Amino acid sequence: DAGVTQSPTHLIKTRGQQVTLRCSPISGHKSVSWYQQVLGQGPQFIFQYYEKEERGRGNFPDRFSARQFPNYSSELNVNALLLGDSALYLCASSGTGQETQYFGPGTRLLVL
Amino acid sequence: DQQVKQNSPSLSVQEGRISILNCDYTNSMFDYFLWYKKYPAEGPTFLISISSIKDKNEDGRFTVFLNKSAKHLSLHIVPSQPGDSAVYFCAASAPSGTYKYIFGTGTRLKVLA
Repeated sequence: DAGVTQSPTHLIKTRGQQVTLRCSPISGHKSVSWYQQVLGQGPQFIFQYYEKEERGRGNFPDRFSARQFPNYSSELNVNALLLGDSALYLCASSGTGQETQYFGPGTRLLVL
Repeated sequence: DQQVKQNSPSLSVQEGRISILNCDYTNSMFDYFLWYKKYPAEGPTFLISISSIKDKNEDGRFTVFLNKSAKHLSLHIVPSQPGDSAVYFCAASAPSGTYKYIFGTGTRLKVLA
């Protein structure tokens, strides 16, 4: 069975640009969560979606937004990129969000 | 405010010996705890979890212990193998409606052959 997939694997952007990251959950999972991991830190929660509805949002500015599609895949958008947005962006899926979350390989974003 | 803390940034253990990774938390509302392993350039891989109604959970070489009164959990790996060398994160969640995970900063385990 395919695990969580994310695209692209790597991305280089410049300050002020916008980026869209994509995630496909494990088949049958309806909940997707997004996390940001900067070097030397643990992943930090950004969003959780369940059945296309936003269930929760972490302490991130409004430049960060996300959505979930009818097939339960999800996109994370970041506008007006800052150097500090450089990080590994992780997507995790679970059945309803209440069970164990399984992570994808991540998208590494570098903002220059 | 770091609600989940892993105070040891690194740990080295000889192959075949026991590895003990520790994690402390401050939020008494946390009711579900997990350990993930992470290799470079990969996402975290789920290892083992424990509910707050238990004090121990075992899966093969991995055992997680939970001490609620001390707000402390630990991961024991016996016997340790070189392939266990990775960064280990503990995570916790609370039944707040958003089942987000709060992660510690990780402990880098190196198993020496």
